[in-house]
Amino acid sequence: DAKTTQPPSMDCAEGRAANLPCNHSTISGNEYVYWYRQIHSQGPQYIIHGLKNNETNEMASLIITEDRKSSTLILPHATLRDTAVYYCIVRGLGNTNAGKSTFGDGTTLTVKP
Amino acid sequence: DVKVTQSSRYLVKRTGEKVFLECVQDMDHENMFWYRQDPGLGLRLIYFSYDVKMKEKGDIPEGYSVSREKKERFSLILESASTNQTSMYLCASSSRTAKRYNEQFFGPGTRLTVL
Repeated sequence: DAKTTQPPSMDCAEGRAANLPCNHSTISGNEYVYWYRQIHSQGPQYIIHGLKNNETNEMASLIITEDRKSSTLILPHATLRDTAVYYCIVRGLGNTNAGKSTFGDGTTLTVKP
Repeated sequence: DVKVTQSSRYLVKRTGEKVFLECVQDMDHENMFWYRQDPGLGLRLIYFSYDVKMKEKGDIPEGYSVSREKKERFSLILESASTNQTSMYLCASSSRTAKRYNEQFFGPGTRLTVL
């Protein structure tokens, strides 16, 4: 699975959009980009995933560049409860790839009042 | 509401003890996973299972074994616990349907301390 690079930390003002970048320059054609977050003392929580088109759900939007070498997770109106570590991982489908992406250190997002 | 539960939130064991960590999911998921999480090393996959009685090694299987006798339950076993196995252990499950295959649901974690 492709490796990802994320900034170690970011701050965001409450109510503003939080834009979290991720580089995955070695992504291959059949690999998806997944985002999870981990709030302190809890297990990671799935947020969103995409292949090449932009995606949106009730939690966030995912923007993937045309060359697929980077992506941005957008939390449109960040709240204090969005303070967490955000992980970007890249993974293919199929049993042989199940769970095999290691989550790196992620980005610690701190939402400030 | 989907749920992955782990047998303990906190566990303290002595070096050389046999340790069982249990994970149960109620979503009828085919896939189940065990990870450990350590500062600076992220989440690392220990073992996973894509069916009852099936298991595959992850990135760091040494010192661990697993058991999947029932679909809903996946156990992680430390045959002889060592201090370097002190860590947060996280269990996850996912469905095998193509669209949601890699959408993993995690349990709350078990913080294991080996003295």
